[in-house]
Amino acid sequence: DVKVTQSSRYLVKRTGEKVFLECVQDMDHENMFWYRQDPGLGLRLIYFSYDVKMKEKGDIPEGYSVSREKKERFSLILESASTNQTSMYLCASSPRTASSYNEQFFGPGTRLTVL
Amino acid sequence: AQRVTQPEKLLSVFKGAPVELKCNYSYSGSPELFWYVQYSRQRLQLLLRHISRESIKGFTADLNKGETSFHLKKPFAQEEDSAMYYCALSAGGTSYGKLTFGQGTILTVHP
Repeated sequence: DVKVTQSSRYLVKRTGEKVFLECVQDMDHENMFWYRQDPGLGLRLIYFSYDVKMKEKGDIPEGYSVSREKKERFSLILESASTNQTSMYLCASSPRTASSYNEQFFGPGTRLTVL
Repeated sequence: AQRVTQPEKLLSVFKGAPVELKCNYSYSGSPELFWYVQYSRQRLQLLLRHISRESIKGFTADLNKGETSFHLKKPFAQEEDSAMYYCALSAGGTSYGKLTFGQGTILTVHP
């Protein structure tokens, strides 16, 4: 059974704190993604990675950074959390093949609240 | 740049009624379209993709390039279809499978 896990289901942080969200997949997938999910806005891509140590900005990278030191792990970092980063964060992974029809597999999400 | 629009935030139908969730896209190339679904307290998962021309849980979706639409349809809705539905587009090529999602539609099927 394919599995994407995220380190926390719920997280509460204070403004200005550095926040780490961890994502691990056990499917040997090359591609990994971080989205935030907000009502009325859908899912928006923050960053993605297509290989170890490789990363590319998505649509809303401001205020975030990522790290991919190992193939199975993709971390999202909020350098200085702000209240407008309160959201649900979803991690996903997919295999890299010649086709772009590949399904993305999602984690359960981390609901982050920044006070 | 590509864009996906789901014009309905909320959609309510009664059990047994037909349901159609609308999805329109803008993209200059040849798109690959998907529908993802998130049931209550479950993770987001793929429902169907246009390339497969499949029917999953009674749902179908036809890509209409002329109208740039990929509406999701089911002839007889069931209560278990209540969920959040997202339409998504992949640009293909070297996009690494990146998806652009719509805003989502919450479907409620009443008994």
